[in-house]
Amino acid sequence: GQSLEQPSEVTAVEGAIVQINCTYQTSGFYGLSWYQQHDGGAPTFLSYNALDGLEETGRFSSFLSRSDSYGYLLLQELQMKDSASYFCAVRGLSGGYQKVTFGTGTKLQVIP
Amino acid sequence: GAGVSQTPSNKVTEKGKYVELRCDPISGHTALYWYRQSLGQGPEFLIYFQGTGAADDSGLPNDRFFAVRPEGSVSTLKIQRTERGDSAVYLCASSVSGRQSSGANVLTFGAGSRLTVL
Repeated sequence: GQSLEQPSEVTAVEGAIVQINCTYQTSGFYGLSWYQQHDGGAPTFLSYNALDGLEETGRFSSFLSRSDSYGYLLLQELQMKDSASYFCAVRGLSGGYQKVTFGTGTKLQVIP
Repeated sequence: GAGVSQTPSNKVTEKGKYVELRCDPISGHTALYWYRQSLGQGPEFLIYFQGTGAADDSGLPNDRFFAVRPEGSVSTLKIQRTERGDSAVYLCASSVSGRQSSGANVLTFGAGSRLTVL
């Protein structure tokens, strides 16, 4: 099966940097993704890593270490609008096909 | 279509009734997922289609839940004899082929169908 762990809540100050960690277990790893979800909204894709290293997309970066089954999402120059829940999701093998399983989410609160 | 469309957006039903939730994925997306999300939780995997076939239905809670995708596009999630515990937001997402493709890591979600069972 597949499982993921991430912190339930994080609070950070506007303009600062915050890192949200994620550890995962899966059979046959194909990628780790990150999604943002505002209250009442649908999850939206932010970033993914299939290979080790850092991927940068504007203020957001995502890191992966496959040997450690670990990744993180880095948010820089935090803005109030970044207050949301962030989910890591792993794509792994299940029944010969690849399926995407989500973590329980990290609620980020950005304070002035 | 331009995005993933889900109908109805809200459904209130009585315990024991039958409901159908519809998902119209992005045109050309062969992979389609159904998730269920309760307040404060992450999306819980229900079922995954690759084309017309259910590649993995291991997340369906019990035999009251069933999903189809007869023509490889629109999918319907069917819930029989609804229970209060079925109340949640049901999310549909689609992506390009779920096989060896980097695009398969990018799921596009619909706005969800909020189901309330009284």
